[in-house]
Amino acid sequence: EIVMTQSPATLSVSPGERATLSCRASQSVSSNLAWYQQKPGQAPRLLMYDTSTRATGVPARFSGSGSGTEFTLTISSLQSEDFAVYYCQQCNNWPRTFGQGTKVEIK
Amino acid sequence: EVQLVESGGGLEQPGGSLRLSCAASGFTFTNYEMNWVRQAPGKGLEWVAYISSSAGSIYYADSVKGRFTISRDNAKNSLYMQMNSLRAEDTAVYYCARGWKYFDYWGQGTLVTVSS
Repeated sequence: EIVMTQSPATLSVSPGERATLSCRASQSVSSNLAWYQQKPGQAPRLLMYDTSTRATGVPARFSGSGSGTEFTLTISSLQSEDFAVYYCQQCNNWPRTFGQGTKVEIK
Repeated sequence: EVQLVESGGGLEQPGGSLRLSCAASGFTFTNYEMNWVRQAPGKGLEWVAYISSSAGSIYYADSVKGRFTISRDNAKNSLYMQMNSLRAEDTAVYYCARGWKYFDYWGQGTLVTVSS
């Protein structure tokens, strides 16, 4: 099983600032990585797939990069609606596995 | 509009059984792979099971293998999860989610609580 490790666990950011979230895979997943956003009481929402392709309706301030074992989700200028928990997920092997999440909170 | 609506959750005793359902609409269900993903209270996401569009391929997480069975009825646009030999650690919100590699649509979830 591929273990996904996200860092940091919590990121405190002021509105308008840049946020950088990291995700590491225990073995290469090529570019087969997705990111999800989850707000309290809601289902997860797909943000990014194939490392850097934004899902439908996702604003351009979200960008993804990386390959192999190291990946990054960047939010260029945090808006109030972006404060949430973010999960990475590898899509390369079964079982599909998620990171433990990064909570982006208001500083 | 794509909609996935789960039902069937509730309180069950350890060792008991539950059957979850997911009603799909707004897309051609027969063309899509489907999954169950769960989230224990206050915890992260855990993929549970996958079924291909024709049900020809099925995968399970080790944590549920031999106890849970995923199935689908394409004529009814529905996904199911039969959950047997339930354990306390199965307590979670269960989401149905569409997709093979990544999951582009999710239901709102149904809560399963396993407790005596």
